[in-house]
Order: sequence, then C-alpha cells, then structure tokens
Amino acid sequence: DADVTQTPRNRITKTGKRIMLECSQTKGHDRMYWYRQDPGLGLQLIYYSFDVKDINKGEISDGYSVSRQAQAKFSLSLESAIPNQTALYFCATPRVVEQYFGPGTRLTVT
Amino acid sequence: DAKTTQPPSMDCAEGRAANLPCNHSTISGNEYVYWYRQIHSQGPQYIIHGLKNNETNEMASLIITEDRKSSTLILPHATLRDTAVYYCIVRVDQGGKLIFGQGTELSVKP
Repeated sequence: DADVTQTPRNRITKTGKRIMLECSQTKGHDRMYWYRQDPGLGLQLIYYSFDVKDINKGEISDGYSVSRQAQAKFSLSLESAIPNQTALYFCATPRVVEQYFGPGTRLTVT
Repeated sequence: DAKTTQPPSMDCAEGRAANLPCNHSTISGNEYVYWYRQIHSQGPQYIIHGLKNNETNEMASLIITEDRKSSTLILPHATLRDTAVYYCIVRVDQGGKLIFGQGTELSVKP
C-alpha cells in the first residue's frame, strides 16, 4: 500500500464551486504539507501542519483552507474555485530529510 | 526564492552516466543539498542529500565542491526510466518545507 494517498486523483469542477482534496498517510509522521504545481514549474507550498493543532500558511495560501482531522489526514479546500487554481496538487509528509509525496490530484476549474 | 541554478534541460544516452550540475553559490554553512526527481507529473521522489562530503546510495552519487558553491548529481548508468525533471534544493525552511526551483529536464535516449 502507498505511504501517502490522495483523493480524488482527477477532478473537473466549475468556477465558484467548493471542492475538497483529501490526503492520508500511513507513515505516522506529525508533519504534513500541501503543494501546488503549475505546468512547467516547480512546486509551491500552500499550507503546512506540524501536528494536529499546528497549521501554518505557506507561500500561496490565498483562496485555500485546510483541516487536519487526525495525525494521518490533512484536507485542502478551495472555498470558491477559480480557473487559475487549475493545477496539480501534491500532499507530502517528511521523515527527517526525506519527504514522501502522494501521487497528486489533477484539478481543472472551468 | 529558490537558491539554486540548474540547466533547464539535458540529454543523456542510455547506459551512460548522467551528470546533472547545480549552482548554489549563496548556500549557508548549515544548509544541506537535496536532490529530488519528478517523473511525468508523479509526486517528487527523494534521491539523495549531502552537506560537505560526497555521498552515494543505490540510486545516485552526489559530488559537492569543496567551497560548497556547486554540486553534481551522477546517475552512473542512466536508463530510459530515469527520464524526469531533477530538482536541486538547498533552501529548506525551518519547518522542513522544500523550496523548489525550475529543475533540469533530463531526457535519456536509446
């Protein structure tokens, strides 16, 4: 089984809709991150969480919110989706220096 | 901003060594050099990291210059499956978050 899973893997939604992306990890790590990747670019950090009670904004948090429901679960919400939020979204959890990434969610906002 | 400079693309013949350079002239004394790769929109995969000394693992070797201003990732016998974008990362924020640059797109050709 994968260490980090993300659902859904692909999603098409309309402008103005609320959408939630979910991430689960089986590594038992406290820290979890959400990244966004636009075509041809590197990953940018949206939100990160050091533990269930500690959530922090990253570089590009505007338009996004998160919820850390448990140590293993970290959800990303787009309150009112807009077309420029079309991107690949990755969840990750680190162990010392190595980060384990999920397979990604491809989100398209029309 | 990322603190690294990498060539945008490189080619390598299958079976030959792939040498991927990275400049990080402003690296601080306590910052590590990390390498990740991303195969065709999958989640990034950790390869190797180092501080001062050269490092080798089952995937690659990392050569860091004595002044630590540059490094080279070496894939000793590149295969077609090594075709990916390779990211050199030296800036890791306090929370362990990765700051991605543009990376090098390596194409391994038969």
